[in-house]
Amino acid sequence: GQSLEQPSEVTAVEGAIVQINCTYQTSGFYGLSWYQQHDGGAPTFLSYNALDGLEETGRFSSFLSRSDSYGYLLLQELQMKDSASYFCAARDNYGQNFVFGPGTRLSVLP
Amino acid sequence: SQTIHQWPATLVQPVGSPLSLECTVEGTSNPNLYWYRQAAGRGLQLLFYSVGIGQISSEVPQNLSASRPQDRQFILSSKKLLLSDSGFYLCAWSQGIRNEQFFGPGTRLTVL
Repeated sequence: GQSLEQPSEVTAVEGAIVQINCTYQTSGFYGLSWYQQHDGGAPTFLSYNALDGLEETGRFSSFLSRSDSYGYLLLQELQMKDSASYFCAARDNYGQNFVFGPGTRLSVLP
Repeated sequence: SQTIHQWPATLVQPVGSPLSLECTVEGTSNPNLYWYRQAAGRGLQLLFYSVGIGQISSEVPQNLSASRPQDRQFILSSKKLLLSDSGFYLCAWSQGIRNEQFFGPGTRLTVL
């Protein structure tokens, strides 16, 4: 099985940079994904890391260290619309199922 | 392009009543399909996933069941709802070994 841990809340101001960490324990690991969910909405895919290193997609970047069982999502030039919950998710290497972390609620202040 | 539909959007049901939530995917074939439940302010709990017609894997034993009668249709059911079944139910699909999941708009279920 797999379990993932994230901070429950993060607060930052507009224009700042924020990092959301995710640590995982797995019996098999295929890669780490990140999703964004606004209140009342469905999660939307942001990024995926299969290998160690940094993946950049616009203002968002995601990092993975398989040796440390650790990853993070980096959000730059924060905007008010970035206020949402962010989930890391790991794919089970032995199957087709995904396990989600508990989520980090990001509040962006003016 | 691919789209995923869920209905109904909201549902209020009494304890002990049956449940049927439907999810359909358009624009893709042989998708992997998933049912998740999310309690208010919490993470996503995987309930069922399916890699093909009639193939269902259950992650959490409970009074819910799932079926996949057609390639792009996934149904979540219960014979008798419990208060603890209240939550936000999300259907999702993914394709093959790709690691993106695409979520439907969800059904908010309240059991009274």
